[in-house]
Formats: sequence, C-alpha cells, structure tokens
Amino acid sequence: GDSVTQMEGPVTLSEEAFLTINCTYTATGYPSLFWYVQYPGEGLQLLLKATKADDKGSNKGFEATYRKETTSFHLEKGSVQVSDSAVYFCALRRGGSYIPTFGRGTSLIVHP
Amino acid sequence: NAGVTQTPKFRVLKTGQSMTLLCAQDMNHEYMYWYRQDPGMGLRLIHYSVGEGTTAKGEVPDGYNVSRLKKQNFLLGLESAAPSQTSVYFCASSHSRDRGPDSPLHFGNGTRLTVT
Repeated sequence: GDSVTQMEGPVTLSEEAFLTINCTYTATGYPSLFWYVQYPGEGLQLLLKATKADDKGSNKGFEATYRKETTSFHLEKGSVQVSDSAVYFCALRRGGSYIPTFGRGTSLIVHP
Repeated sequence: NAGVTQTPKFRVLKTGQSMTLLCAQDMNHEYMYWYRQDPGMGLRLIHYSVGEGTTAKGEVPDGYNVSRLKKQNFLLGLESAAPSQTSVYFCASSHSRDRGPDSPLHFGNGTRLTVT
C-alpha cells in the first residue's frame, strides 16, 4: 500500500537558519504530493503541493520539489522565523483513491 | 467563508457516556473524513464518506459510528466512551477524485475530548 515517511523530530533551529524536512513516499502510479502545516491548537492547513514530476510547490518562503526518481518531496526554507514553529505533515493522494496518506508529522521549533 | 467548523471545541466525558461531534462544511465538498490525533501516532482515519448517505470504515473505526444525512454535515458518535478515546478529533473535507487528485483536504480546528 501507499506510505509516507518523514524524518522524526523535533527539529530545533535558531531563527534565520536553513530548514530541510525530509519526506519520501511509496505509491503506485503518479500521486499528487502535499505539505500541510499545523500550528499549535489548530487543524492542518495546506502549505504547498505538486502534482507531477519535477513540479515545485512554493508558499510563504517554503519550497518542495516532486522528485520521481528518488520518490521524495523534501520541504525547504532558506531562513526560518519563530512563527514557523509548528508540526509539518507530508502527504500523498492518488487519483484512484478516496483516502490520502499522511506521514507522522515533524515538529519544528525555532528559537529567537 | 467558514470552511470546516467543528463543535464542540472541548468536551469531558465520563466512561460509558455518549456524545456526538458535529462537522459542517460550506465548500460543497463531496468527501468528508474523521481523524484522531494522538501524540506520536500522527493522524489516524476513523471513518470517511464519499457522498451523502454513504460512509465507510477507516483505520480505527471501533467504538465510533458516523452519519452523513446531509452533504454538508458529518457526525461522529461515541456510544459508550472509554479512556482510550481521549484524543483530539479532526474533521476534514475535500472535492471528489473526479475533480482532480490534487484536491487538498480542508481541516477543522479540532475537538479536544477527555474521557475520565
């Protein structure tokens, strides 16, 4: 079946540091890939997405590139802020499935 | 635009009590989902619905029931609450796969349930 594997957290960084959160997936066909963010006390919200190989999704300074050859969708940001502290979830969705597949989430803590 | 609204936001139950969690969406989405989130466990799918009047079991359906009598509402019921059901419950909705597999899920802000 489909699966998404994320690096375990928490990831702890100082403000303005470079961020990478790794995500790899297993799925048949050509799924769409997503990153969601969950701020404390809130539900998940879409951060960015990519729908085909080599697509780059971007939003709020975050980027991720759909790499079919390595089945990866790593999340990056050049300079994190304290306000980026949250839990980040990688997910995939295949066209033939009703149900998306989520990773377990990676907690990011950014210190001033 | 309210999006996905969950009620109540917090609830404390005693073991054996029952309750219903309500989810309402105003985006005309066909699919709706109920998840629970526990520390270290990520999101686990309880039940889902692909249309009005239809429901299906997810990964952890035991102890829960659902109903989708109207397209915009998806109810999650606990008939006899147990301490193991202490969790944060999230409802989500999305367009159908016919409208594109890149349709993201839209989540509510959760219901924090404690069973003592």
